[in-house]
Amino acid sequence: DIVMTQTPLSLSVTPGQPASISCKSSQSLLHSDGKTYLYWYLQKPGQPPQLLIYEVSNRFSGVPDRFSGSGSGTDFTLKISRVEAEDVGVYYCMQSIQLLTFGGGTKVEIK
Amino acid sequence: EVQLVESGGGLIQPGGSLRLSCAASGFTVSSNYMSWVRQAPGKGLEWVSVIYSGGSTYYADSVKGRFTISRDNSKNTLYLQMNSLRAEDTAVYYCARDAVTWGQGTLVTVSS
Repeated sequence: DIVMTQTPLSLSVTPGQPASISCKSSQSLLHSDGKTYLYWYLQKPGQPPQLLIYEVSNRFSGVPDRFSGSGSGTDFTLKISRVEAEDVGVYYCMQSIQLLTFGGGTKVEIK
Repeated sequence: EVQLVESGGGLIQPGGSLRLSCAASGFTVSSNYMSWVRQAPGKGLEWVSVIYSGGSTYYADSVKGRFTISRDNSKNTLYLQMNSLRAEDTAVYYCARDAVTWGQGTLVTVSS
């Protein structure tokens, strides 16, 4: 089974400042089709997860460009260039190359 | 518009059974991979089961042998049959299409 490890567990960010979340997988997420099956989600309180980034670095429809994803193989990063109040919630990474596995989550709050 | 609506959750005693439904609109459930993901109160997301377009099904070890995922193409609906329920199965259960579109979830509470 692929294990997804997210760090940090939580982040307290001043509005307008950047934030970064790391996600490491226990196996490479690079498929033979050339795609890397790593996703990022934001779950706001009381809501289902919403997709932010798919296949490492592709922003989903309607996602602001302050969100960006990067990485390869087993190491991935989600960056928020300038955090806004509406970005609070829990961020999860997920792999789907071998069934599905989620990271433990990173709670982002505003200072 | 692509939409998923779960139903069937509720309060059930340990050892009981429940069937969750996920009605899909705007796409065909058989043409995508469909998953069930759950979230225990105050906890993170846990993948439960998946059915691929070809019909293959897989389960998390925690539910293997107790839960069954299926779909009804004529009703464009995904199901999760849950048997031998335990207190640790208490969670909000979400269905998801290709891990892109998610339903609002349905709460399952297993308690006596």
